[in-house]
Amino acid sequence: DTGVSQNPRHKITKRGQNVTFRCDPISEHNRLYWYRQTLGQGPEFLTYFQNEAQLEKSRLLSDRFSAERPKGSFSTLEIQRTEQGDSAMYLCASSPLPRSYTFGSGTRLTVV
Amino acid sequence: DAKTTQPTSMDCAEGRAANLPCNHSTISGNEYVYWYRQIHSQGPQYIIHGLKNNETNEMASLIITEDRKSSTLILPHATLRDTAVYYCIVRATTRGGSEKLVFGKGTKLTVNP
Repeated sequence: DTGVSQNPRHKITKRGQNVTFRCDPISEHNRLYWYRQTLGQGPEFLTYFQNEAQLEKSRLLSDRFSAERPKGSFSTLEIQRTEQGDSAMYLCASSPLPRSYTFGSGTRLTVV
Repeated sequence: DAKTTQPTSMDCAEGRAANLPCNHSTISGNEYVYWYRQIHSQGPQYIIHGLKNNETNEMASLIITEDRKSSTLILPHATLRDTAVYYCIVRATTRGGSEKLVFGKGTKLTVNP
């Protein structure tokens, strides 16, 4: 059990560029969550997968955001045409059941 | 979603018990209370959760009032490494049947030497 792994840890991108983040959950965890956290705030829910099915999307997840979880294993979160307001920490969590979620260390995105 | 209210910040002396309160007066009968903490620049870490009975594990104790409208997280012997933001969360269930955690701003606990 190596925990939830997120890559990259840091990403700096220019406004308007596309970025993609990857999350590798704990093996056999069928639930996977994405959250976003801005400075001084708690994490905000973005989306949730059970296996490969995306079951819930927050209104925060605009049409520039897309998440996938092919084959129910790792997940990717893509942001197209990044804006400065997208600068945040993007957190991934996984769980085998709907309790005791394990979070990764996050990907810190800076849009310049 | 049931809302939670926590103090913005608290201080505790090293070696003493830290008691972190949380109000969740609109909690539903089947909603659990979760506690997570987040140390600077890391992802949130699960501490403990409960439904209506008091719970204890190697990290902390959770005391839930009989009416379930409030709870207290107890760190029995706080250390400097317990300095973190502590989140009290009531787990929501969306119409799609998924479960998400709704975080507030939490309590910034500072353990002083």
